[in-house]
Amino acid sequence: SAVISQKPSRDICQRGTSLTIQCQVDSQVTMMFWYRQQPGQSLTLIATANQGSEATYESGFVIDKFPISRPNLTFSTLTVSNMSPEDSSIYLCSVESGGANEQYFGPGTRLTVT
Amino acid sequence: LAKTTQPISMDSYEGQEVNITCSHNNIATNDYITWYQQFPSQGPRFIIQGYKTKVTNEVASLFIPADRKSSTLSLPRVSLSDTAVYYCLVGISGGYNKLIFGAGTRLAVHP
Repeated sequence: SAVISQKPSRDICQRGTSLTIQCQVDSQVTMMFWYRQQPGQSLTLIATANQGSEATYESGFVIDKFPISRPNLTFSTLTVSNMSPEDSSIYLCSVESGGANEQYFGPGTRLTVT
Repeated sequence: LAKTTQPISMDSYEGQEVNITCSHNNIATNDYITWYQQFPSQGPRFIIQGYKTKVTNEVASLFIPADRKSSTLSLPRVSLSDTAVYYCLVGISGGYNKLIFGAGTRLAVHP
């Protein structure tokens, strides 16, 4: 298993600003994933972050809006840039356990943009 | 990745067995079936995974018929703490695999 922490747990931000969310894992992992979950909705995959290479973004998400860093095997950041109220959501990171279709999720970051 | 279809919501009472069925008509030969549970204000949690027939662990059982076009998550004797959203996912097990979440089933357990 893996224990994942995220910072901040929640934040209220003004329109036009940016917020960087941190994701820390207690073990080394190859792949980290970033999801968005809007209130009452399911999870939507934003991108996959592989250490040492550019993140792979899903349709509808672009690097300029959601830049991701993956400096080592235990850490990743997701930045939500030039925020608008539509970016208000919960952002979650996850990692995959070795050899199984089983992912461990962080507690999420609740973002409110005013 | 095969699309999944689940009931939007279900209601049950404490002590009852709950069965949540998921349809995945386009499941591929290499696809596994995985279920996640999500409580409010938490990230999803892996419950169980299977390929065919029946899988059981300390939390739930997963029944998969021979044609694998559907699966049923069975929760024995639910309690109030089982109130959550349950997601059925289909994909290849092993190695890198991105998870595509469907709408999930919102289970409400009543006293």
